[in-house]
Amino acid sequence: DAGVIQSPRHEVTEMGQEVTLRCKPISGHNSLFWYRQTMMRGLELLIYFNNNVPIDDSGMPEDRFSAKMPNASFSTLKIQPSEPRDSAVYFCASSFFGQPNSPLHFGNGTRLTVT
Amino acid sequence: AQSVAQPEDQVNVAEGNPLTVKCTYSVSGNPYLFWYVQYPNRGLQFLLKYITGDNLVKGSYGFEAEFNKSQTSFHLKKPSALVSDSALYFCAVRENTNAGKSTFGDGTTLTVKP
Repeated sequence: DAGVIQSPRHEVTEMGQEVTLRCKPISGHNSLFWYRQTMMRGLELLIYFNNNVPIDDSGMPEDRFSAKMPNASFSTLKIQPSEPRDSAVYFCASSFFGQPNSPLHFGNGTRLTVT
Repeated sequence: AQSVAQPEDQVNVAEGNPLTVKCTYSVSGNPYLFWYVQYPNRGLQFLLKYITGDNLVKGSYGFEAEFNKSQTSFHLKKPSALVSDSALYFCAVRENTNAGKSTFGDGTTLTVKP
C-alpha cells in the first residue's frame, strides 16, 4: 500500500493567491482528517470527513478555508485568499470509520509558505 | 472534552540509557491512547496503542508504554535509547465513538546523544 499521498510536498505562493492542497487516503479507509502543524499552535484538527461527508469543521480557522471530498479516494483543502499566517505544514490522515481503536495514517504533509 | 498533556517540551538522554516521555490525559469513559513519532519532513507514524487489557503495551522499534488509570497517564518508555530514536513524539487520545476524533498533545522532542 502506498500510504496516504499528499501533493504538492512544498508550495510557495504570494499573499492573496488561491492554494489547493490534495490528499489521497489509503484505499478502503473511510475517515479522512486534515491537520495543520505550526510551532506556535502544534497540531490542530481543521476538519474531518466520514464516508465523504464533512462531520466537524469547527477547526477551520476562517471562511477563507474550505475542504471537499468528492469521492472516497480524493480530498482537497483550499485557501482563498491565502495570507502569510497560513504558512504551516498541512497533513492529511485517514483511518477506518467506526474503528476508533485503530491508528491514524498520515501523509508526509504539504509545507505551505505564503509570502 | 478530551485533552492530552505532554509536560516536557524536550527530553535528553544518553545512548544506551532508558528513556521516558510523559503523557497524561483527560477523557470521559474508557480511553483509546496512542503514541506517534515524527521524523523531520515526515508525517506522524504510529508507534503503539492502548485499548484494553494489559497495562504495559509493546510497540514498534522496541518502544513500550505503561497505562496507569489512577494517574491518567500513558508514558512512553524504552529500556535502551538509540541515537536514531531522536525525533518528535506525540501522545494522542481518540474518542470511543464511530467518528473517533483524535486529540494530540503538543509533542516532546527526544534527543539521544552518543
